[in-house]
Amino acid sequence: QKEVEQDPGPLSVPEGAIVSLNCTYSNSAFQYFMWYRQYSRKGPELLMYTYSSGNKEDGRFTAQVDKSSKYISLFIRDSQPSDSATYLCAMTVDQTGANNLFFGTGTRLTVIP
Amino acid sequence: DAMVIQNPRYQVTQFGKPVTLSCSQTLNHNVMYWYQQKSSQAPKLLFHYYDKDFNNEADTPDNFQSRRPNTSFCFLDIRSPGLGDAAMYLCATSSPDNFNTEAFFGQGTRLTVV
Repeated sequence: QKEVEQDPGPLSVPEGAIVSLNCTYSNSAFQYFMWYRQYSRKGPELLMYTYSSGNKEDGRFTAQVDKSSKYISLFIRDSQPSDSATYLCAMTVDQTGANNLFFGTGTRLTVIP
Repeated sequence: DAMVIQNPRYQVTQFGKPVTLSCSQTLNHNVMYWYQQKSSQAPKLLFHYYDKDFNNEADTPDNFQSRRPNTSFCFLDIRSPGLGDAAMYLCATSSPDNFNTEAFFGQGTRLTVV
């Protein structure tokens, strides 16, 4: 079983829709949960990170962590064509220790004008 | 302003011909990483440097080497590229306090092996 599972999509939505992106994981020791956005032919950029369970909001983006279900989500409200990208979840046990960051495979999102 | 810069953006090399990819950073971060990302796959950590200390992942093939001559620059050397090494290579940096929660990535070098 992979440490992190993410539906690769692709996911297509009309402009203005609410988007839900999800990851599941197997290691209950994970405590830090990140979402990266990767535009085509570019490197990933950190969008948000959350520590432990709960929600975190940043503008149109909300990250949600449910540790009891080992499930994390990223919600995008009022989606825009500029949100079209691949979204990668990533998680780790602690902030230090460079070799224990685990990525999902990414979900490719297209927002249609 | 680009903070992690990778060159070249696209590299075509012949099967078996050594190739070097470069990365530079203006963030003065102690930690630099190299990831390999194949199509529709998660980035895979190859190795990282904490200052001059080199840390190789156990499953990184010997074909992959790295050099870090100073804080700002890091190189990935592929000694004998095979067709299976065609991928996007990502360089990233972070500070020691938050290795995992705040990594800054470059734009990547897409390597094609012919």
